[in-house]
Amino acid sequence: AQKITQTQPGMFVQEKEAVTLDCTYDTSDPSYGLFWYKQPSSGEMIFLIYQGSYDQQNATEGRYSLNFQKARKSANLVISASQLGDSAMYFCAMNTGGFKTIFGAGTRLFVKA
Amino acid sequence: GAGVSQSPRYKVAKRGQDVALRCDPISGHVSLFWYQQALGQGPEFLTYFQNEAQLDKSGLPSDRFFAERPEGSVSTLKIQRTQQEDSAVYLCASIGGPGTGELFFGEGSRLTVL
Repeated sequence: AQKITQTQPGMFVQEKEAVTLDCTYDTSDPSYGLFWYKQPSSGEMIFLIYQGSYDQQNATEGRYSLNFQKARKSANLVISASQLGDSAMYFCAMNTGGFKTIFGAGTRLFVKA
Repeated sequence: GAGVSQSPRYKVAKRGQDVALRCDPISGHVSLFWYQQALGQGPEFLTYFQNEAQLDKSGLPSDRFFAERPEGSVSTLKIQRTQQEDSAVYLCASIGGPGTGELFFGEGSRLTVL
């Protein structure tokens, strides 16, 4: 069965510091994609970053990077230089063999001034 | 349109009423998804369309839930005889074509069943 696990219900980080949000996944499909989405209090889901299962290098998008450890089936999101606007829910997600995407339960990030 | 548009943004229904939620995806987007997001939880897959064809409806929780996309663009999610456990935000998302599978989401329709 395919599954996404996010074990951190809430995280606090000081402004300008880096933070890592954990994600582990389970699939038997050799081809899959991993995603992180941000959901601010307004409710709209915003795509942040993508990692393909065959990608050799970790994905980066600005202040976001994905620490992909395939053997451990983990896909942690690293946010560098946190900003107050980063306070939101963050969801790890996966699709396999098509476009159906499943999501984890999410981590709420609080950035402190 | 420029983004995925959902209506209504908020809907209050009495238990037993039927509701219809509309999704207008990004123009030209072939694939359309519906998700249900309970308070404090991650989105749960409901159903998926490619053009007008409903390719996967495995996530629909009961036969009270029905989705359609008759012309391959606008989609409607209908919930019959609503129950309190149907209270959630219903998210619509679309994908343009081959690529990573990044989902473009609407702002959601928040359904409250009293």
